[in-house]
Amino acid sequence: GAVVSQHPSRVICKSGTSVKIECRSLDFQATTMFWYRQFPKQSLMLMATSNEGSKATYEQGVEKDKFLINHASLTLSTLTVTSAHPEDSSFYICSAPDMRQNTGELFFGEGSRLTVL
Amino acid sequence: AQSVTQLGSHVSVSEGALVLLRCNYSSSVPPYLFWYVQYPNQGLQLLLKYTSAATLVKGINGFEAEFKKSETSFHLTKPSAHMSDAAEYFCAVQGGGSTLGRLYFGRGTQLTVWP
Repeated sequence: GAVVSQHPSRVICKSGTSVKIECRSLDFQATTMFWYRQFPKQSLMLMATSNEGSKATYEQGVEKDKFLINHASLTLSTLTVTSAHPEDSSFYICSAPDMRQNTGELFFGEGSRLTVL
Repeated sequence: AQSVTQLGSHVSVSEGALVLLRCNYSSSVPPYLFWYVQYPNQGLQLLLKYTSAATLVKGINGFEAEFKKSETSFHLTKPSAHMSDAAEYFCAVQGGGSTLGRLYFGRGTQLTVWP
């Protein structure tokens, strides 16, 4: 199957700093990528849809100025958590559909655990 | 609109026992349905998917699920649980039309397997 890779897998930062998380499709091109957030022992919440070459589409209640998304190429989307605070600590997961398949099956990255001190 | 309900946030079985994880969906279009497994601090791995072909879908690690339109269900089963099956399981329905590719997840079911 297709491979999606996230980096870093774990990051610890101080409150007030910004953190960038990368999501790469390694063996296919992805014009769209999805960013999810997962709180402990809870389901995945869709944060935004990243669109290559255009602005991301954010879900209701997600602060676009807090969570900056850039989809600069067909294989890379980045999520930047700006001025991070402890409440931003979470597990962030990206996914991308491999449109070479009729179903556009989603492939998930390994996830990035952010801890804000 | 699409949504998924997973009945039971925790399921415990003995090793070798039947595993049954329940999922009911709501969809305004013919659904694509998925089961994913998540191990601690990891991303999601696809177990199996239903895409309007055979209603009984076989996946990896001995899991299978049956799509029942009349019951709007897509329950996940495995005849004999293994210790390595202990994980979080998510049922998901895929959006259609303009939301193609977006997945709507259930709240998840934590499977515990006792020796």
